Amino acid sequence: EAGVAQSPRYKIIEKRQSVAFWCNPISGHATLYWYQQILGQGPKLLIQFQNNGVVDDSQLPKDRFSAERLKGVDSTLKIQPAKLEDSAVYLCASSLPDNNEQFFGPGTRLTVL
Amino acid sequence: DAKTTQPPSMDCAEGRAANLPCNHSTISGNEYVYWYRQIHSQGPQYIIHGLKNNETNEMASLIITEDRKSSTLILPHATLRDTAVYYCIVRVYNNFNKFYFGSGTKLNVKP
Repeated sequence: EAGVAQSPRYKIIEKRQSVAFWCNPISGHATLYWYQQILGQGPKLLIQFQNNGVVDDSQLPKDRFSAERLKGVDSTLKIQPAKLEDSAVYLCASSLPDNNEQFFGPGTRLTVL
Repeated sequence: DAKTTQPPSMDCAEGRAANLPCNHSTISGNEYVYWYRQIHSQGPQYIIHGLKNNETNEMASLIITEDRKSSTLILPHATLRDTAVYYCIVRVYNNFNKFYFGSGTKLNVKP
């Protein structure tokens, strides 16, 4: 089966600019996660969707980050405006609702200059 | 918010068993222990999980102490391709699953 797809793989922007990342989960996976991974650290959950509804966004910096999953399939994560400390790899993962295993995409590496 | 502590790095000789420890002393009765690994420049990959019984699959074995305050992931015959960061994670369930990643252990498998 096809894995979790993410694009772009790399993005370089200047601070105060906007950026968007796209994720297409594994077909049939109702649960979708966005993680932020800063260099040298483990992934930190930003937001979790169940179908097109948000079940957890407690660690999402809502003043600058937003995410949507309008049709319950693919998802977009946006940062506006970006700060230097947003430089990280943004990982998308998906799973079946009651499944124990999350499948991760390759991530998008964001560099903010 | 990580609920686990792991050594930052470990070395292992190729062909030998790699034993990766994890401390989760504040784990609650219904919280599972998961292990994932992340090879350089890739997304994390699921390895194994357990609640209180020892578990084994084709990749590894998971040994959980009786008091559930710690666990050990065992790779029985480490290869160079097992070089990665290994994350021990506690899964919390409160109407939905939530996974807390720590900083992980960098396992270096050496020839």
